[in-house]
Amino acid sequence: KQEVTQIPAALSVPEGENLVLNCSFTDSAIYNLQWFRQDPGKGLTSLLLIQSSQREQTSGRLNASLDKSSGRSTLYIAASQPGDSATYLCAVPNSGGSNYKLTFGKGTLLTVNP
Amino acid sequence: GAVVSQHPSRVICKSGTSVKIECRSLDFQATTMFWYRQFPKKSLMLMATSNEGSKATYEQGVEKDKFLINHASLTLSTLTVTSAHPEDSSFYICSAAWAGRNTEAFFGQGTRLTVV
Repeated sequence: KQEVTQIPAALSVPEGENLVLNCSFTDSAIYNLQWFRQDPGKGLTSLLLIQSSQREQTSGRLNASLDKSSGRSTLYIAASQPGDSATYLCAVPNSGGSNYKLTFGKGTLLTVNP
Repeated sequence: GAVVSQHPSRVICKSGTSVKIECRSLDFQATTMFWYRQFPKKSLMLMATSNEGSKATYEQGVEKDKFLINHASLTLSTLTVTSAHPEDSSFYICSAAWAGRNTEAFFGQGTRLTVV
């Protein structure tokens, strides 16, 4: 059974800092990995999708890396802003199942202070 | 990205009543939709997978008679919480997938259900 762990559970940084969020998964036979953002009481916004054949993906100030063999992914946020404050979730497809059925980590609650 | 709309965003109902939540894919045909449940400060947990025109597949521990799922068309899936109890209060989120979209899943805005 796939398990996803995210570290740290919470992070508070001053505006402008670069930061790294970590995600690890137990079954490395994944098809892809997704990073999401969730604002309080809201749904999920997809940030980045990394295919298993890729090592990283970039979108604006966000960069996600994937090391499938070690079961790890990181989300790097450059020059953080207060508007980046949210919960960040990583998710991978369930082992042996549909590639769309996702197992989520518990998330990292990020607070960027002005 | 593709748009998934979920309605309502919030609902309060009395214990014993039923509540229906809708999930629509607005600009693509979703062959498969998924329903997740999220408890406070917990991960999203997959409840069931719904394929258009067939019965939903429920995850272990999820009562199919309690959580009725219907996927009548390629753009609409519904989740009905029957005979709701306070312990059913939670945040429910749907996602939709389209085989042509490179295996990426798109999520609705979520529904906050409160049973009083």
